[in-house]
Amino acid sequence: GAVVSQHPSWVICKSGTSVKIECRSLDFQATTMFWYRQFPKQSLMLMATSNEGSKATYEQGVEKDKFLINHASLTLSTLTVTSAHPEDSSFYICSARRGRETQYFGPGTRLLVL
Amino acid sequence: DAKTTQPNSMESNEEEPVHLPCNHSTISGTDYIHWYRQLPSQGPEYVIHGLTSNVNNRMASLAIAEDRKSSTLILHRATLRDAAVYYCILRETGANNLFFGTGTRLTVIP
Repeated sequence: GAVVSQHPSWVICKSGTSVKIECRSLDFQATTMFWYRQFPKQSLMLMATSNEGSKATYEQGVEKDKFLINHASLTLSTLTVTSAHPEDSSFYICSARRGRETQYFGPGTRLLVL
Repeated sequence: DAKTTQPNSMESNEEEPVHLPCNHSTISGTDYIHWYRQLPSQGPEYVIHGLTSNVNNRMASLAIAEDRKSSTLILHRATLRDAAVYYCILRETGANNLFFGTGTRLTVIP
């Protein structure tokens, strides 16, 4: 299957700082990328969908000014958690898809905000 | 998105076949049935998908009921590395994203 990478794999930061997570599709051009969040013992929750060169579409209840998504190229999307707080601590997972094909997921980034 | 229903958990002995059921009684004609699995502390991994006919790949087989209201993911010989949460998801043709339910947590007993 296709390979999607994320960086960093884990990050610890102080409350109030911003954190950027990168998602790359390594062997295909992703027309659409997705960001999910997963809290312990829970399922994945879709945060937003982005198409290359367009503004992201956020799911209800997800603050677009807090979770900044940039999809500047067909192989890279970034999620910036601005002014992170302890309640933002979670497992963030990106996903990428080319056209209507299968959706592939990255390994996830664990964020801990102290 | 049409809803799927899966058992919360299942157990299997190592090296035995595993049949993971999924009910999707409100499936529409254009919904594909996708299966993903998530190992601990990892992102979901694509397993298999199908529309009407049964499907086989190197990881698993997907058996789809004739009325498409249910499907079964079949792991032919469970290994310890197959212990994961398995998600059955419906996605309409051309729809943009996948919505995850609670899945089935598979425990493989050595």
